Amino acid sequence: GQSLEQPSEVTAVEGAIVQINCTYQTSGFYGLSWYQQHDGGAPTFLSYNALDGLEETGRFSSFLSRSDSYGYLLLQELQMKDSASYFCAILRADSGYALNFGKGTSLLVTP
Amino acid sequence: SQTIHQWPATLVQPVGSPLSLECTVEGTSNPNLYWYRQAAGRGLQLLFYSVGIGQISSEVPQNLSASRPQDRQFILSSKKLLLSDSGFYLCAWGRRGEQYFGPGTRLTVT
Repeated sequence: GQSLEQPSEVTAVEGAIVQINCTYQTSGFYGLSWYQQHDGGAPTFLSYNALDGLEETGRFSSFLSRSDSYGYLLLQELQMKDSASYFCAILRADSGYALNFGKGTSLLVTP
Repeated sequence: SQTIHQWPATLVQPVGSPLSLECTVEGTSNPNLYWYRQAAGRGLQLLFYSVGIGQISSEVPQNLSASRPQDRQFILSSKKLLLSDSGFYLCAWGRRGEQYFGPGTRLTVT
């Protein structure tokens, strides 16, 4: 089977940098994705790492290390609107490019 | 650009009643389609996925079923709802690690 572990909650100050970690166990996968979900809304795609290393998209960066079964999402220059839940997800290698999601990290950005 | 539609936005149904949720995608052909359910304050659970018309793979053996009668249409159904079927139902289309979600249907079974 597959499992993903993320911290349940993280709090950070506006303007700061925060890192949300994700560790996983899987027998095979294509890559690691990150999604953002605001309260009451649908998840939105943030980033996808097919290869080891860092992917940067504006204020957000994502990292993957297959040898360590570990990834993280880095949010810089935090803004109040970044308060949301963040999910890591494994892109499965069996079929259909389905995603298995972690339970999510609730990020609270404070003034 | 691609757009994904889901309806209804909210639904309150009694236990034992049937269910039909519809999802349609515009702006892409032969998409991979997915149904997820999210319980309150929880992560997303994959229910079904489809890589083509008439092809359905089930992840969770419950009283739910899915169908894909057309290339860009995905339907989630139940003959008799249970209380445990309450949740936020999300349809998504995707390509590799990128999945794009519809607005979701919030289902309450009473």
